[in-house]
Amino acid sequence: QVQLQQSGPGLVKPSQTLSLTCAISGDSVSSNSVAWNWIRQSPSRGLEWLGRTYYRSKWYNDYAVSVKSRIAVNPDASKNQFSLQLNSVTPEDTAVYYCARDPGYSLDPWGQGTLVTVSS
Amino acid sequence: DVVMTQSPLSLAVTLGQPASISCSSSQSLVHSDGNTYLNWFQQRPGQSPRRLIYKVSSRDFGVPDRFSGSGSGTDFTLKISRVEAEDVGIYYCMQATHWPHYNFGQGTKLEIK
Repeated sequence: QVQLQQSGPGLVKPSQTLSLTCAISGDSVSSNSVAWNWIRQSPSRGLEWLGRTYYRSKWYNDYAVSVKSRIAVNPDASKNQFSLQLNSVTPEDTAVYYCARDPGYSLDPWGQGTLVTVSS
Repeated sequence: DVVMTQSPLSLAVTLGQPASISCSSSQSLVHSDGNTYLNWFQQRPGQSPRRLIYKVSSRDFGVPDRFSGSGSGTDFTLKISRVEAEDVGIYYCMQATHWPHYNFGQGTKLEIK
């Protein structure tokens, strides 16, 4: 059974970098058949897919156009986890952030969610 | 980007009665491999989204058979044959056909009347 455990700060100052980590159990971040995603949820934007990382003989990333200039999703094979970094945050980045496994054209399961507030 | 539109946005149903949620996409969700990657998720109050259905109509393990998905092309439906109290929450459709970008519907809030 795959489980995802998120960690990271719940408060980030404007213009700084939001950083979250998603630890994986029951699967491998280096698996050749899945991808590892970040999604966020806010009242104004609903559920918004942000980006993913995946391994297919080498590492790949995909990012949403809305955050492409500010986002990085990176794997850490030594710890079997992956991370989200979102730079230059503003209050509009306040949201609940989720990590999720993509077994192929889907998202299952999801992490527990982390509320990140951007405020000084 | 593919726009996913759900209706209604809220729904109040009597216990034991059926419920139906529609989801339409701005583009066909038929993939070049012949599959249609339309997913349904349930988000109970205070919880993370949980996948109920994938590829239009395939129910996840442990999902009660009162949940069913149907549709094709651009129009899809999630039906609950007899609503129970534990079904309260928000339901989302999500397209995954137009990889790499996934798009969600706005969500439909299900309440008990």
